[in-house]
Amino acid sequence: SAVISQKPSRDICQRGTSLTIQCQVDSQVTMMFWYRQQPGQSLTLIATANQGSEATYESGFVIDKFPISRPNLTFSTLTVSNMSPEDSSIYLCSVVGGGQTAGNTIYFGEGSWLTVV
Amino acid sequence: GDSVTQMEGPVTLSEEAFLTINCTYTATGYPSLFWYVQYPGEGLQLLLKATKADDKGSNKGFEATYRKETTSFHLEKGSVQVSDSAVYFCALRQGAQKLVFGQGTRLTINP
Repeated sequence: SAVISQKPSRDICQRGTSLTIQCQVDSQVTMMFWYRQQPGQSLTLIATANQGSEATYESGFVIDKFPISRPNLTFSTLTVSNMSPEDSSIYLCSVVGGGQTAGNTIYFGEGSWLTVV
Repeated sequence: GDSVTQMEGPVTLSEEAFLTINCTYTATGYPSLFWYVQYPGEGLQLLLKATKADDKGSNKGFEATYRKETTSFHLEKGSVQVSDSAVYFCALRQGAQKLVFGQGTRLTINP
């Protein structure tokens, strides 16, 4: 299994500021995913971050708002830029464990719970 | 595109009751299917999975069977406990792609 640590775990942010969330994995992984979970909602994929290439963003998410770095196989960051109250969400990092095949488990971090005021 | 539809919640049961949370999916290929659980104030944990038709995933007394003919992956438990109170998400994954989640079902178990 993969152990994923996210920082910060919680934060209260001022409108208009930016916050960077860090995701550290205890093993090397090729694929990392960043999800958003708005209050009372399901999870929505923001982007896929593969080491050595630019992140691939889902419809409705853009790099200017959610820049992502993936400097190596165990680490990634997601920045939420120019925050508004609508960005108040849980942001979750996830990785594929044990290879890249369909049946392999996707593990999640504990999430970063952001509240924008 | 691929999608997952879950039984709407919230669901409230008494302790030791039988639980079913329905999940159906739409996919062009043969996805892997998952149930994740989110306990209050926590992140997502994998509960169980099935990778091909007729597979049964099980964990912590929960079970779900991959039914290709009905495109379903219903979650069941014979006797629920207060500690099972959480939000349950059904999800699918095609190949090495992203997880697609259902909307989640909030379960509350009363003593």
